[in-house]
Amino acid sequence: DAGVTQSPTHLIKTRGQQVTLRCSPKSGHDTVSWYQQALGQGPQFIFQYYEEEERQRGNFPDRFSGHQFPNYSSELNVNALLLGDSALYLCASSLVGTGANVLTFGAGSRLTVL
Amino acid sequence: GDSVTQMEGPVTLSEEAFLTINCTYTATGYPSLFWYVQYPGEGLQLLLKATKADDKGSNKGFEATYRKETTSFHLEKGSVQVSDSAVYFCALGGAGSYQLTFGKGTKLSVIP
Repeated sequence: DAGVTQSPTHLIKTRGQQVTLRCSPKSGHDTVSWYQQALGQGPQFIFQYYEEEERQRGNFPDRFSGHQFPNYSSELNVNALLLGDSALYLCASSLVGTGANVLTFGAGSRLTVL
Repeated sequence: GDSVTQMEGPVTLSEEAFLTINCTYTATGYPSLFWYVQYPGEGLQLLLKATKADDKGSNKGFEATYRKETTSFHLEKGSVQVSDSAVYFCALGGAGSYQLTFGKGTKLSVIP
């Protein structure tokens, strides 16, 4: 049973560029959340998608946007990259109705902004 | 807003030593509490959880009790192994919310 898969695993961008990260949820899950984990810090909630709509959002600027597709996979887009956006981006999936807090995390996409 | 404070690391223990990682929280309402573990190069894995006061979560020899009176959820294990070396995160989540609030993490190293 495949868990949460994320791509790419590593990428390097320069300031001002845009990046798209991808996530496939665990089989049977229908909601996806994204978290940003800076080096040495705990993950911070960016937003959550369900039924192709953003349902909850953390304290992140509009430069961070997302999308969920009919097959439940998701993308995280970050525009106008800043050095401070360098972090591990984690995707987590869950099944609505089974307990909102029970999340399965992927291994993450490590973004370096130069 | 909600917040989680956990003890600073790193923590280095000898194999078979007793482990305690302290975690306290601030939250409105009655959140669920979690411990997640992150092994090198891997994503976070749920270690254990508790959903209401006085609940004890346990898994793989680890346990933690939800203490509402002290707003704490300390992680304990009686005898650690080298394979327990990882970063441990305490987290809370409001009822029905997908937004977990994490502590900064505590790195545990267990030496033979």
